[in-house]
Amino acid sequence: KNQVEQSPQSLIILEGKNCTLQCNYTVSPFSNLRWYKQDTGRGPVSLTIMTFSENTKSNGRYTATLDADTKQSSLHITASQLSDSASYICVVSLDSNYQLIWGAGTKLIIKP
Amino acid sequence: ETGVTQTPRHLVMGMTNKKSLKCEQHLGHNAMYWYKQSAKKPLELMFVYNFKEQTENNSVPSRFSPECPNSSHLFLHLHTLQPEDSALYLCASSQIGTGSQHFGDGTRLSIL
Repeated sequence: KNQVEQSPQSLIILEGKNCTLQCNYTVSPFSNLRWYKQDTGRGPVSLTIMTFSENTKSNGRYTATLDADTKQSSLHITASQLSDSASYICVVSLDSNYQLIWGAGTKLIIKP
Repeated sequence: ETGVTQTPRHLVMGMTNKKSLKCEQHLGHNAMYWYKQSAKKPLELMFVYNFKEQTENNSVPSRFSPECPNSSHLFLHLHTLQPEDSALYLCASSQIGTGSQHFGDGTRLSIL
């Protein structure tokens, strides 16, 4: 069964600290993996997208990694800011269109 | 400015009411989607339209009726909804073949 599991379900850290969010997937065939950020009351916004051959992708303070052998991805946030408080969702694509398998997300809270 | 606009942002309705959700995309995309997002659950794909033609209906109850008059507009007509239909309804658009979906900020629907 195609699944995307994220951990932890929620995380609280202090402003300025780093954190890493995890994503494990059992999806086949695999086209690409994306991380989305969803602020409260807003729609998801794409942070990174990685294909099978890429093992790291950065977007500012966000760095995503992908290990296609172990079917794991992580999202590392450096020097967290209050505005990083949001849900972070891992999504694996079966093809190049709409066949997406969504994780339930990690809710991240940054405290001052 | 997300490029995908949803109205209304909030909707409260009784189980016997009829209402419609509207989505408009200004990105020149040729595919549009409706998703349901319930608390702590992965996004659920409801409907997909490619070039105004419905290509996916994920066993959605008939009390949800989509309409796509052109590639820029998408509606979700609601009637005789149930309390478990209370959720955030998200609209997205993409260019077929790229797989990168852009989301609106959703309509928060509450069924009394």
